[in-house]
Amino acid sequence: GNSVTQMEGPVTLSEEAFLTINCTYTATGYPSLFWYVQYPGEGLQLLLKATKADDKGSNKGFEATYRKETTSFHLEKGSVQVSDSAVYFCALGGKLIFGQGTELSVKP
Amino acid sequence: GAGVSQTPSNKVTEKGKYVELRCDPISGHTALYWYRQSLGQGPEFLIYFQGTGAADDSGLPNDRFFAVRPEGSVSTLKIQRTERGDSAVYLCASSPGLAGGGILGETQYFGPGTRLLVL
Repeated sequence: GNSVTQMEGPVTLSEEAFLTINCTYTATGYPSLFWYVQYPGEGLQLLLKATKADDKGSNKGFEATYRKETTSFHLEKGSVQVSDSAVYFCALGGKLIFGQGTELSVKP
Repeated sequence: GAGVSQTPSNKVTEKGKYVELRCDPISGHTALYWYRQSLGQGPEFLIYFQGTGAADDSGLPNDRFFAVRPEGSVSTLKIQRTERGDSAVYLCASSPGLAGGGILGETQYFGPGTRLLVL
């Protein structure tokens, strides 16, 4: 069946460091792929999405590219800020299948 | 505009009791979803409504769990004979549910969740 495997956390970075959070998936068909973010004390919110192979989703400096050949949707940001500290979830579209989440902590 | 709202925000109950959790989706969204999130885990799908009907209830863990959406808007998740293992955050989400498009590509908008604790 469909599944998502996400890089384990927690990840701790210094401000302005480069971020990669790995996400790979197994799916029948070509569902959309999503990154959701959960800031401390807040609900889940969409960060970015891609609906087909080779699509790149981007928002708030974050990017992820839908790679069919490697079945991946890795999240990247060139320079993280303290305000990016949150839990990040990769998800497969439809009745969403989520990864287990990666906690990111950015230190000043 | 108003987002997805859920009530109550917290619910404490005793083992064996019955609970109801309510979700108000974004106005005009025909698709509504329930998920359950245990501590340190990603949300897990429970049930999906398209309009008034449950289009997919494959995620409901057993027959103690039931959900309704009688008028195609507000939904209630009902849990009978609660068990300690039911303790979790219950999340509701909605999406436009565009006709013919399916839900694969739609963004789901989440509510803040109901934190259920079964003692």
